[in-house]
Amino acid sequence: DAGITQSPRHKVTETGTPVTLRCHQTENHRYMYWYRQDPGHGLRLIHYSYGVKDTDKGEVSDGYSVSRSKTEDFLLTLESATSSQTSVYFCAISERSRGEKLFFGSGTQLSVL
Amino acid sequence: QQQVKQSPQSLIVQKGGIPIINCAYENTAFDYFPWYQQFPGKGPALLIAIRPDVSEKKEGRFTISFNKSAKQFSLHIMDSQPGDSATYFCAASVANSGGSNYKLTFGKGTLLTVNP
Repeated sequence: DAGITQSPRHKVTETGTPVTLRCHQTENHRYMYWYRQDPGHGLRLIHYSYGVKDTDKGEVSDGYSVSRSKTEDFLLTLESATSSQTSVYFCAISERSRGEKLFFGSGTQLSVL
Repeated sequence: QQQVKQSPQSLIVQKGGIPIINCAYENTAFDYFPWYQQFPGKGPALLIAIRPDVSEKKEGRFTISFNKSAKQFSLHIMDSQPGDSATYFCAASVANSGGSNYKLTFGKGTLLTVNP
């Protein structure tokens, strides 16, 4: 999938615990995105990055933080996981600035019990 | 607020039929409109995209029709096949408040089933 690896692929955790999801790319693309996918809501942008250490919020950023210390890695952290954060999380990359030609990873299924 | 409204939620057609999926938007600052296709257990994949300076774009059996005045765009799949059964998402790109970086906003998706 266009050189994108998401880890872990599946995770079950308990309410209140911190969780970090990792997105690793080998394409050297500048732009990286985290989306969550939920039934009835489609894909919603959590955070995105337009360069190393440059990030911005999406439409559902509350309860999430991100970090990008190098081009290839974009981390999504749930500071204190809640059941409402049970979802499938997708990372996407793009070499273009205008949201063009996003390549998505295979997703991480996260269950918060 | 939902910036891109997609309909229908689900659609069933027979093989060879022409399913049509519609999307509407309000923000006239959108200037890039892609469609993504997603199979179960996979991430979405770009299918076709259009810019508002053209009214139609075709790639193989997939066509986007764009109506700028109505702020609507649609996906048509000609001669649909069972292998086209998937979830389809429309999307639109808009700049952040600084105007320097863009983010993609998706519709809620349409589950298409093509029966043999």
